[in-house]
Amino acid sequence: GAVVSQHPSRVICKSGTSVKIECRSLDFQATTMFWYRQFPKQSLMLMATSNEGSKATYEQGVEKDKFLINHASLTLSTLTVTSAHPEDSSFYICSAHAPGQGDEKLFFGSGTQLSVL
Amino acid sequence: DQQVKQNSPSLSVQEGRISILNCDYTNSMFDYFLWYKKYPAEGPTFLISISSIKDKNEDGRFTVFLNKSAKHLSLHIVPSQPGDSAVYFCAALGNQFYFGTGTSLTVIP
Repeated sequence: GAVVSQHPSRVICKSGTSVKIECRSLDFQATTMFWYRQFPKQSLMLMATSNEGSKATYEQGVEKDKFLINHASLTLSTLTVTSAHPEDSSFYICSAHAPGQGDEKLFFGSGTQLSVL
Repeated sequence: DQQVKQNSPSLSVQEGRISILNCDYTNSMFDYFLWYKKYPAEGPTFLISISSIKDKNEDGRFTVFLNKSAKHLSLHIVPSQPGDSAVYFCAALGNQFYFGTGTSLTVIP
């Protein structure tokens, strides 16, 4: 199946710093990528939909200026957590929609565990 | 508003027995459903899917059943193995993917 690579897998940073997470589709072009956030023992919560070449669409309650999304190419989307605070600590997962890739229509990265001290 | 619900947060099953994970949804316009398996600190991996035009899809030990009138789907794993222990998410495709809250399955050796 298609592969989505997400880096870094784990990051620890000080409060007030910015953290960039990369999501790459390795063997297919992803015009649409999604960013999710998961708190412990909770579901995947969609944060935003990233469209190549256009502005991301954010879900209600997600701060656009806090979570900057860039989808500059068909294989790369980035999420930047700006001025991170401890409450931003979470598990962030990206996924890419790959129409035509068999039954599996949504491929996930391996996730990034962000810990803000 | 949670459009996809998994009402059982956890399930324990003896090795070799059947595991049944349930999922309910509210939007009759959903036309494609998927099950994902997730280990801690990893991204979800695809397990099995079903289109709304079918009521059953089978892949090895995994079978998904869809009851459109009840807006209910279930994942059957038989026989269950210790390696199946993970969190299972169901998802529905409408204008976006909607995920349930997950069910943590523990298969006891």
